[in-house]
Amino acid sequence: AQSVTQLDSQVPVFEEAPVELRCNYSSSVSVYLFWYVQYPNQGLQLLLKYLSGSTLVKGINGFEAEFNKSQTSFHLRKPSVHISDTAEYFCAVKRPENTDKLIFGTGTRLQVFP
Amino acid sequence: DVKVTQSSRYLVKRTGEKVFLECVQDMDHENMFWYRQDPGLGLRLIYFSYDVKMKEKGDIPEGYSVSREKKERFSLILESASTNQTSMYLCASSSTGLLRGNQPQHFGDGTRLSIL
Repeated sequence: AQSVTQLDSQVPVFEEAPVELRCNYSSSVSVYLFWYVQYPNQGLQLLLKYLSGSTLVKGINGFEAEFNKSQTSFHLRKPSVHISDTAEYFCAVKRPENTDKLIFGTGTRLQVFP
Repeated sequence: DVKVTQSSRYLVKRTGEKVFLECVQDMDHENMFWYRQDPGLGLRLIYFSYDVKMKEKGDIPEGYSVSREKKERFSLILESASTNQTSMYLCASSSTGLLRGNQPQHFGDGTRLSIL
């Protein structure tokens, strides 16, 4: 079955430090991959998506992610985080069947300290 | 900009009550989704609708039903609320792309439901 693994449930980091949030997926078919961010007391917002083409995808707020087919990974990175990046981040992948449904990971809470 | 509106941010109900959660989207999207979000479990799909009056069970449909009488509105119904249904409920919508699954989902702000 299709699955998404976010290995780190929490990632603490100091302001202006770089950060990487890890996401691995399992799939035997072509995938579409997404990263969403959830700020406190809000719904999820799309950060970026990979559908095809260049494996390095740039998103909003200075985030980027790299699709690595051989590693089945789609890690999210930012070279220098701000306090305002404190939020929960979800990786998601399209299900293998012909559907618009996604499977979400369990989330990574990024906490940025001053 | 896509707007997905959930009727309540916070809701408190008693066990055994019938509970309705409403969701409206303004972008003429074909697809609508209901998820529940629990700490450590991420988002789990309850029900999915790909057209008016069409619905499909998600991963955890037990204890829930849905209604989609109009394209813009998708309702989640807890037939007889129980304490284990205390959770954050998120509604989302998306358009149907030429390739299935390549369109992002747009989320409402969520309803935090407490069943006492």
